[in-house]
Amino acid sequence: DIQLTQSPSFLSASVGDRVTITCRASQSITTNLNWYQKKPGNAPKLLIYDASSLQSRVPSRFRGSGSGTDFALTISNMEPEDFASYYCQQSYSSPLTFGPGTTVDIK
Amino acid sequence: EVQLVQSGAEVKKPGEPVKISCKGSGYRFASFWIAWVRQMPGKRLEWMGSIDPSDSDIRYNPSFQGQVTISADKSVSAAYLQWGSLKASDSGIYYCARSPSDFYGMDVWGQGTTVTV
Repeated sequence: DIQLTQSPSFLSASVGDRVTITCRASQSITTNLNWYQKKPGNAPKLLIYDASSLQSRVPSRFRGSGSGTDFALTISNMEPEDFASYYCQQSYSSPLTFGPGTTVDIK
Repeated sequence: EVQLVQSGAEVKKPGEPVKISCKGSGYRFASFWIAWVRQMPGKRLEWMGSIDPSDSDIRYNPSFQGQVTISADKSVSAAYLQWGSLKASDSGIYYCARSPSDFYGMDVWGQGTTVTV
């Protein structure tokens, strides 16, 4: 199975901050990497697919980058609604796997 | 509006069977795969498997194969996840999610079904 690690696990930020979360795969997954936002009690929400493609109706302050084994999700200018947990997920091979998540809370 | 609506919470005893559902609307149900994803407290999300409703082609995560059954009925735009005999360790939140293919991002999610054993 392809293992995904994320860093940091927790992050404190302020409104207006720029935040970067990284995701590393245990082997190359080319650009088959997706990012989700999840809030307590809610289902995950797709933000970025194929490493860098912005999902429809997701604000442009969310940006994905990377290929191979190293990826990043950057949120420029944090808004109050962005405080949540973020998960990466690989869709390169079965079984599909998720990262452990990064929780971004308010400083 | 494109949406997936899941069946309500289930409270069961060990050994009991259960079948939860996921009903799609607002799009051509048979044109997208449906994935099932488990969330357990303090654990990362886990992909259980995916089904193509057009022909019921299924991909299982080996960790869940034999433990659950995934099925679909395109005539009623629904997918299902069932257990023949529940264990306490099956307690969790189960999400269905839509995907353009078997291995891709999941762009529309159900609200989740809590199963308590």
